[in-house]
Amino acid sequence: EPEVTQTPSHQVTQMGQEVILRCVPISNHLYFYWYRQILGQKVEFLVSFYNNEISEKSEIFDDQFSVERPDGSNFTLKIRSTKLEDSAMYFCASGDLATFFGSGTQLSVL
Amino acid sequence: GENVEQHPSTLSVQEGDSAVIKCTYSDSASNYFPWYKQELGKRPQLIIDIRSNVGEKKDQRIAVTLNKTAKHFSLHITETQPEDSAVYFCAASMAFGNEKLTFGTGTRLTIIP
Repeated sequence: EPEVTQTPSHQVTQMGQEVILRCVPISNHLYFYWYRQILGQKVEFLVSFYNNEISEKSEIFDDQFSVERPDGSNFTLKIRSTKLEDSAMYFCASGDLATFFGSGTQLSVL
Repeated sequence: GENVEQHPSTLSVQEGDSAVIKCTYSDSASNYFPWYKQELGKRPQLIIDIRSNVGEKKDQRIAVTLNKTAKHFSLHITETQPEDSAVYFCAASMAFGNEKLTFGTGTRLTIIP
């Protein structure tokens, strides 16, 4: 069964550093998403991406965040200058008739 | 925007008994309602979903019901087993697969052997 894959599984960074989280969506899906989950809380929508552009973004997705689909398979989330409160599990997802999630990247900002 | 409420936040049931988790949503334009199971440290896994033109859907021991008039939907798990222990999230969306999901706050289900 096809799966959304994410790398790395864990990322530790210093406050103020840039991080790039990587995702390979399911190959025939056209809609891509980033969500995050702070420990013990619900999953929150960050951004959706379709046809090589952002289709919707949440209030969380401020100017420090950006997304890119640099080639036909990868989908990346960049956080330009990380803050302590960016520490969370970041899930990539892709969808066609339903939405499927990757295994996540645990980001720890120290 | 959409707001999804979920109850209860924790639920413990004896193995073999049934478990029911309830969600309400606020936006009447929502028409797709998936349920995800999340084991500790793992990805949310889609277990069942329902679209607004259907009132009930069943898949083996799992069923979901939807009441569009009242704007609520429920997950029913029958004959519970220890492997059903996990956090369950409901969600709502304007469409399936191509619109963002708004999640409920989750229910931690514990099956007591």
